[in-house]
Amino acid sequence: GAGVSQTPSNKVTEKGKYVELRCDPISGHTALYWYRQSLGQGPEFLIYFQGTGAADDSGLPNDRFFAVRPEGSVSTLKIQRTERGDSAVYLCASSFGGQETQYFGPGTRLLVL
Amino acid sequence: KNEVEQSPQNLTAQEGEFITINCSYSVGISALHWLQQHPGGGIVSLFMLSSGKKKHGRLIATINIQEKHSSLHITASHPRDSAVYICAVKGPGAGSYQLTFGKGTKLSVIP
Repeated sequence: GAGVSQTPSNKVTEKGKYVELRCDPISGHTALYWYRQSLGQGPEFLIYFQGTGAADDSGLPNDRFFAVRPEGSVSTLKIQRTERGDSAVYLCASSFGGQETQYFGPGTRLLVL
Repeated sequence: KNEVEQSPQNLTAQEGEFITINCSYSVGISALHWLQQHPGGGIVSLFMLSSGKKKHGRLIATINIQEKHSSLHITASHPRDSAVYICAVKGPGAGSYQLTFGKGTKLSVIP
């Protein structure tokens, strides 16, 4: 595809449930980033992948959050035992390398009831 | 951790006005990004700069490394410029990749 895509665009779940959010980066981009944006705030860094490995996961808020990128392309952000405070827009971005311009996806809007 | 402050938080302008949005940060950086976010969440990268000035159409971005300050200017503003403009910095350190974002400036351009 021409840009970064994310699915689903919206996800409503109940407190305690497990959710998976998917990101398809631009083809050929080795770097992939996950961010979280709460209402009225700027995005906050969650995790950065270079290829298949998580080069920096220091932004993940706790061990309920986990992300994978097994083949160095598509990434999945996984949230266990969701809490209402997890409600936010989850943004994915990719870049050709770690120092290049990041291209953002449209985001997944997660609402935990 | 870098602290990124934007001003103003909200800005309303008449069509055709010259607009300036400011960004300051607390720690040295390797690069600064200006991003545009439309309702619905999509973010578009407008500029990435580490020194001087860049221009693209009606948009101009400047950065003063010594003063840790950047400005985004929009000339001849148009209602389609209405969006949230976000400043994000990378660094410190040339090897850094993590972006730290400001809270954004919500711009409304009235016809």
